[in-house]
Amino acid sequence: QQQVKQSPQSLIVQKGGISIINCAYENTAFDYFPWYQQFPGKGPALLIAIRPDVSEKKEGRFTISFNKSAKQFSLHIMDSQPGDSATYFCAASMLGNEKLTFGTGTRLTIIP
Amino acid sequence: GAVVSQHPSRVICKSGTSVKIECRSLDFQATTMFWYRQFPKKSLMLMATSNEGSKATYEQGVEKDKFLINHASLTLSTLTVTSAHPEDSSFYICSARRERRRGGTDTQYFGPGTRLTVL
Repeated sequence: QQQVKQSPQSLIVQKGGISIINCAYENTAFDYFPWYQQFPGKGPALLIAIRPDVSEKKEGRFTISFNKSAKQFSLHIMDSQPGDSATYFCAASMLGNEKLTFGTGTRLTIIP
Repeated sequence: GAVVSQHPSRVICKSGTSVKIECRSLDFQATTMFWYRQFPKKSLMLMATSNEGSKATYEQGVEKDKFLINHASLTLSTLTVTSAHPEDSSFYICSARRERRRGGTDTQYFGPGTRLTVL
């Protein structure tokens, strides 16, 4: 019940295209859903996060869509650039227990 | 944004020695820090939660006598891998929790990681 399932495992998108990564969770007590970007040999960096009281959040080229009834959330990267090539992790946590449960990661490659 | 540093970034040691990794929150105070382990091309695995002024809470299956955690101040947590063996070789990452402002959400900020290689 603590799992967060992430797909796809890897993704190749052409420059300028839209990259979409999906996550699903079981635990309805989760109330915070961040996305992290990680480059090889570096620590994860917080990209964007959402709470369940909204269905969408946008920051620049990055958008989170959240479907509470389906217990799914996704990251959309618009106008994908080669510099976006990295591994992306979704995560979830709950109020009062700040431990993050991470998805399995998606390796994104943006090709020219 | 909040900055978390780790030191060293890379360490190579002989089997049987102990290695200390430091995690510092540079521009905020963190009563809670977390230690993760990451294998190549895998997700982050939480090892323990480090609380300032109290004992760390370890995840199931993590040996507390092998991975000693000390959170002596609001900006520093240390992880000591005792009697390291080759199977302890991994990428160790810490994070620090920045507590929410009124109406906001606690956020974890991650350090750059430490690559440990045990020969």
